[in-house]
Amino acid sequence: EVQLLESGGGLVQPGGSLRLSCTASGFTFSSYAMNWVRQAPGKGLDWVSAITGGSGGSTYYADSVKGRFTISRDNSKNILYLQMNSLRAEDTAVYYCAKAIAAYSSSSDVWGQGTTVTVS
Amino acid sequence: DIQMTQSPSSLSASLGDRVTITCRASQSIYSYLNWYQQKPGKAPKLLIYAASSLQSGVPSRFSGSGSGTDFTLTISTLQPEDFATYYCQQSHTSLTFGGGTKVEIK
Repeated sequence: EVQLLESGGGLVQPGGSLRLSCTASGFTFSSYAMNWVRQAPGKGLDWVSAITGGSGGSTYYADSVKGRFTISRDNSKNILYLQMNSLRAEDTAVYYCAKAIAAYSSSSDVWGQGTTVTVS
Repeated sequence: DIQMTQSPSSLSASLGDRVTITCRASQSIYSYLNWYQQKPGKAPKLLIYAASSLQSGVPSRFSGSGSGTDFTLTISTLQPEDFATYYCQQSHTSLTFGGGTKVEIK
């Protein structure tokens, strides 16, 4: 079964840092692009960052997190990361990792259950 | 930045109704458009990718159409499990979600 399991969320003070992890199983992790998407309480979906799969590993960021967040992947461990620095109250959200349908796609067919980040 | 505008933001419908949700992009995104369904407390689910391609396992009552700036998600016959919030997402330039359309029971 294809699964994604996020971890690392929690309560952090403004200006602090947090690293989220997303452990993948049931598919060839290295072959697929991966995304981080967040959802603030009672709000809509907000794309955060993406990293391509295959031989790429190119990274992309929403303007709101550029320079503060870093996405990375360890294909040997099947883990996706999101390093979040200089956190702000507006970063408070449930953070989902999502698997794309291909190495260079943005269509996400498998999602984790989410991990909650609270900046306060 | 490309802005995605969904309409309506909410709608009330009855079982068996045909439901149409519209998503408009602020500039042409060709067919780089996905549709997702989200139920309360759950992760989103991919319904449609590349504007009109039905994701595997998604019921055929869901369909997508459009290209350029105007897109539509149609549910042909509304079922109880379809009451949810629907989001469009463009992937032509960076990634942007629409604001969502909540489908409620009339």
